[in-house]
Amino acid sequence: ILNVEQSPQSLHVQEGDSTNFTCSFPSSNFYALHWYRWETAKSPEALFVMTLNGDEKKKGRISATLNTKEGYSYLYIKGSQPEDSATYLCAFELGPGGYNKLIFGAGTRLAVHP
Amino acid sequence: SQTIHQWPATLVQPVGSPLSLECTVEGTSNPNLYWYRQAAGRGLQLLFYSVGIGQISSEVPQNLSASRPQDRQFILSSKKLLLSDSGFYLCAWSVHKRDEAFFGQGTRLTVV
Repeated sequence: ILNVEQSPQSLHVQEGDSTNFTCSFPSSNFYALHWYRWETAKSPEALFVMTLNGDEKKKGRISATLNTKEGYSYLYIKGSQPEDSATYLCAFELGPGGYNKLIFGAGTRLAVHP
Repeated sequence: SQTIHQWPATLVQPVGSPLSLECTVEGTSNPNLYWYRQAAGRGLQLLFYSVGIGQISSEVPQNLSASRPQDRQFILSSKKLLLSDSGFYLCAWSVHKRDEAFFGQGTRLTVV
């Protein structure tokens, strides 16, 4: 059974704080690692798809790193804002196959307080 | 631009009743289509995927079935719902491996 673990389960921070979450995944059969943001009453939205060991991606105040050899990825949010409040999901993509076989973690729920 | 429509948004159904959830995609051709379920406190679990019309693969044994009658239409069905079918169902699409997946807004199903 393939497990994707995310920690912490939930996080409360003050506006302006920087924060980070962890996604742990199997180090074998790796194809890609996805991060999604899921705001309440909206659809999950992709943040990053990372494929290479050592990858670092950035979108505004959010960045992510990838270590495929040890099986973890970190998501960082710099200077959290209330609009960052959401559940952050990571998903491990298995290869090979002609479709995205994604194994999702349970998510980290972030609440940013003004 | 591509969009994905999923309906209904919420559904309350009695045990033993049938189910039909529909998902349609616009603005892309021959997408891979997916049905996910999120049970309480759990991650998204892939239920079905389809790489083409009439081609359905199931990831987990269950009381549900899926069909793809048209290129951009994906339907999740059950003949008789169980209490354990309650959950949040999401439809999604993608084109290539390592592409991001695009999700619908989901259906919250409560079986009573």
